Amino acid sequence: AIRMTQSPSSFSASTGDRVTLTCRASQGISSYLAWYQQKPGKAPEVLIYGASTLQSGVPSRFSGSGSGTDFNFTISCLQSEDFATYYCQQYYSYPRTFGQGTKVEIK
Amino acid sequence: EVRLVESGGGLVKPEGSLRLSCAASGFIFSSYNMNWVRQAPGKGLEWVSSISSSSTYIYYADSVKGRFTISRDNAKNSLFLQMNSLRAEDTAIYYCARDLARQLWFDPWGQGTLVTVSS
Repeated sequence: AIRMTQSPSSFSASTGDRVTLTCRASQGISSYLAWYQQKPGKAPEVLIYGASTLQSGVPSRFSGSGSGTDFNFTISCLQSEDFATYYCQQYYSYPRTFGQGTKVEIK
Repeated sequence: EVRLVESGGGLVKPEGSLRLSCAASGFIFSSYNMNWVRQAPGKGLEWVSSISSSSTYIYYADSVKGRFTISRDNAKNSLFLQMNSLRAEDTAIYYCARDLARQLWFDPWGQGTLVTVSS
C-alpha cells in the first residue's frame, strides 16, 4: 500500500497568515492526489484534485502543487473559516490511502 | 442537488453484525463508483471499500477483508456495507462517497453514520 505522510500533524496560525502543508507519498503517484478539508462534526470536502486543480466553488486562496511523491497545499491568506483539519489522499492505486491529517488551529 | 445519506449505524456487540445503507439522490447513481470511508473517534480517515458502477470491481482494505461486504442496488440508488464479525476497532463514523472513472477523488461525502462496537 502507498503510505501518505503529512507534516506537520498540527500547528497554530493567525488569520491572514500564509500556510503551507506538505504531503509525501511512499512511491510515485503522478498527480493522483486530492486535498480535503474537514471541520469538527462534518464530513470531509474536497478542495483540490489532480494535485493542483481547484474544486468548483472553492476560494482561490487555496492552491496545490507537486507531482510524483512530494506535494504542497497552500492557503495564501488564512481566514477564520479555514481552521480545520486537512487530509491528502492518493487515488493512484488501491488501497486508497489518506495522510494522517494536519490540524490548523488558531494561534 | 447531489445527496448521500447513510443509515444503519448503532451499538453492536463484538462479533455481531450490522448493515449500513447509503441512499443516493440528485445524480445518475449507476454511472458512479461508490466508496465507504471510516473515521474512528478523534482519528483520521481510513478507506474501507470501493465498488465500481456496475459492481464489476470491488476492493477492500486489508483490515476488513473477509468480514465486510460492499454491494449496491442501482435500481434503488443505494449502496450497502454488510459488516460481520465486528471488533472494537471497527468503531467509527462510516461515510459513503462517490467517485467517477477519470475523476477518482471522493466527492461528495454523506454526513456519516456512527457504528459503536462494545459489549
